[in-house]
Amino acid sequence: SAVISQKPSRDICQRGTSLTIQCQVDSQVTMMFWYRQQPGQSLTLIATANQGSEATYESGFVIDKFPISRPNLTFSTLTVSNMSPEDSSIYLCSVGGRSRGRTNTEAFFGQGTRLTVV
Amino acid sequence: GQNIDQPTEMTATEGAIVQINCTYQTSGFNGLFWYQQHAGEAPTFLSYNVLDGLEEKGRFSSFLSRSKGYSYLLLKELQMKDSASYLCAVMDSNYQLIWGAGTKLIIKP
Repeated sequence: SAVISQKPSRDICQRGTSLTIQCQVDSQVTMMFWYRQQPGQSLTLIATANQGSEATYESGFVIDKFPISRPNLTFSTLTVSNMSPEDSSIYLCSVGGRSRGRTNTEAFFGQGTRLTVV
Repeated sequence: GQNIDQPTEMTATEGAIVQINCTYQTSGFNGLFWYQQHAGEAPTFLSYNVLDGLEEKGRFSSFLSRSKGYSYLLLKELQMKDSASYLCAVMDSNYQLIWGAGTKLIIKP
């Protein structure tokens, strides 16, 4: 199992500003995942944070809007840049859930960051 | 495209049984997961199925039919604390999780 500490748990931000979300894992992991979950909707993968290389972004998400850092195998940050009200959502970091060759790769999540942009 | 379908909301009575269905169409299949998510909290793992059949774990059971692209989560002896959203997720051929929108389960006394 993995324990993930994510912060902040919630924030209210002004339009045009940026917020950086941090995730700390209690074990070394190769990949960390950043999700967005809007009310009543499914988890949408933003990007995969790889240690030692650039993050891999999903369609519809770009590095300029969601820059990611992955300085070591236990830590990652996601920044939501130049925020607008449409960015109001829950942001979740996750480990596991993707491991080629393994048959049971349970995903573990941080507590989530509830972001409101006004 | 890839698609996971599950009902938006269900209501059940405390002490009863409820079945939450999930159908999927994905590019490849490497297992199906069920997660529970209480309001304002992160999802937590409930079950994993990769072979056809029923997996039982206490009050919760999960069933899979790969040929039908179908799964269900069965909750028995419902308790008020079971009020939550239940997310179905499929791991595709790239070992990436594809998430359903979740089923909000409301338990009434």
